[in-house]
Amino acid sequence: EAGVAQSPRYKIIEKRQSVAFWCNPISGHATLYWYQQILGQGPKLLIQFQNNGVVDDSQLPKDRFSAERLKGVDSTLKIQPAKLEDSAVYLCASRGTERPYEQYFGPGTRLTVT
Amino acid sequence: SQQGEEDPQALSIQEGENATMNCSYKTSINNLQWYRQNSGRGLVHLILIRSNEREKHSGRLRVTLDTSKKSSSLLITASRAADTASYFCATVLMDSSYKLIFGSGTRLLVRP
Repeated sequence: EAGVAQSPRYKIIEKRQSVAFWCNPISGHATLYWYQQILGQGPKLLIQFQNNGVVDDSQLPKDRFSAERLKGVDSTLKIQPAKLEDSAVYLCASRGTERPYEQYFGPGTRLTVT
Repeated sequence: SQQGEEDPQALSIQEGENATMNCSYKTSINNLQWYRQNSGRGLVHLILIRSNEREKHSGRLRVTLDTSKKSSSLLITASRAADTASYFCATVLMDSSYKLIFGSGTRLLVRP
């Protein structure tokens, strides 16, 4: 079974530029999450999708962050414009129904904003 | 805000020794999970303990849960250099959201 795929793995941009991250979850997993993990901290949930609908985006800074999952499979997370404090690892995770409490994480995208 | 706080923040031990890390949380939970994160990688699920369980084992891992103290511990026995990683506890609340709330993590270094 293929795991959660993310790209790119690394990205360096200047502040005020825009950036997009892509995630492909495990096949058949209806629930998809995006997390932000700042260095030295645990992951913080940004947004949760169930199929192509948003379940929870209460922690998403909506003035600059957006996310979509148009066909209920792949997802993109965008930051526009980026700030220095957005430097972090962005993790995508998915969850299936066979083990409803477990989440499967991708390798993450490390973003550096200079 | 993060629910869990982990202790210690960093731990350095010799290969073969046991490693114990602790997690405290604030609100009632459905279950508590432990995840491992190797440097530059995603998180890997290690073990889940439900709120009505007090202890659980998986290989060299032993997890305890004390709901009266709102705390959990993860014990790794006979540690190996390959156990070097960050370990996070994550709680799932009593609602039906299945949302994970992560602690701040313990960085474990196992010296060969």
